[in-house]
Amino acid sequence: DAGVIQSPRHEVTEMGQEVTLRCKPISGHNSLFWYRQTMMRGLELLIYFNNNVPIDDSGMPEDRFSAKMPNASFSTLKIQPSEPRDSAVYFCASSLYFSSAMQKLFFGSGTQLSVL
Amino acid sequence: DQQVKQNSPSLSVQEGRISILNCDYTNSMFDYFLWYKKYPAEGPTFLISISSIKDKNEDGRFTVFLNKSAKHLSLHIVPSQPGDSAVYFCAASGDGPRLTFGEGTQLTVNP
Repeated sequence: DAGVIQSPRHEVTEMGQEVTLRCKPISGHNSLFWYRQTMMRGLELLIYFNNNVPIDDSGMPEDRFSAKMPNASFSTLKIQPSEPRDSAVYFCASSLYFSSAMQKLFFGSGTQLSVL
Repeated sequence: DQQVKQNSPSLSVQEGRISILNCDYTNSMFDYFLWYKKYPAEGPTFLISISSIKDKNEDGRFTVFLNKSAKHLSLHIVPSQPGDSAVYFCAASGDGPRLTFGEGTQLTVNP
């Protein structure tokens, strides 16, 4: 299995531009997560999906952020308009979730976003 | 509101010695705890886990200890090796599929 695949690996954009991050989860996994890594807060959960349905988006910082999962093999995280404070590493992760079971998330390599 | 906290941003140890990484949590509903390791330019990878019904879990050089009354867990690496140099994240789960992570601790093992 190729693991969780994220693209692009690096994104440099100017303030005000739209940014779209992409993720392909591991085949057969039913949960998908978007995390953001910052020095102050570590790995911060932005949103997660279960069976392609958004379950909790309370971590999405502002309305400028949106995420979609149109099918089981693809998700996007969009920032519009982008701001310099959005600069961070964004990770996508997936898992196979059964209730009351320990969750082991598998992460992609991340997208390093720089907003100038 | 940081429910999982790693108060030490960094730790430096000599090769061959023990590394101890600490983590505290506030949510008593957490019932599984995990440690992830992260190398630069890579995503975090699973290292070891422990259920709340246990107080210790060992896997080779890595041991995780859980003290539920203190809401504290620790990761022991012995002996430490230079290849262990990475950022270590503590994580917890208990309310569905999400994992709540701490801030991370940068471990440096000096040869």
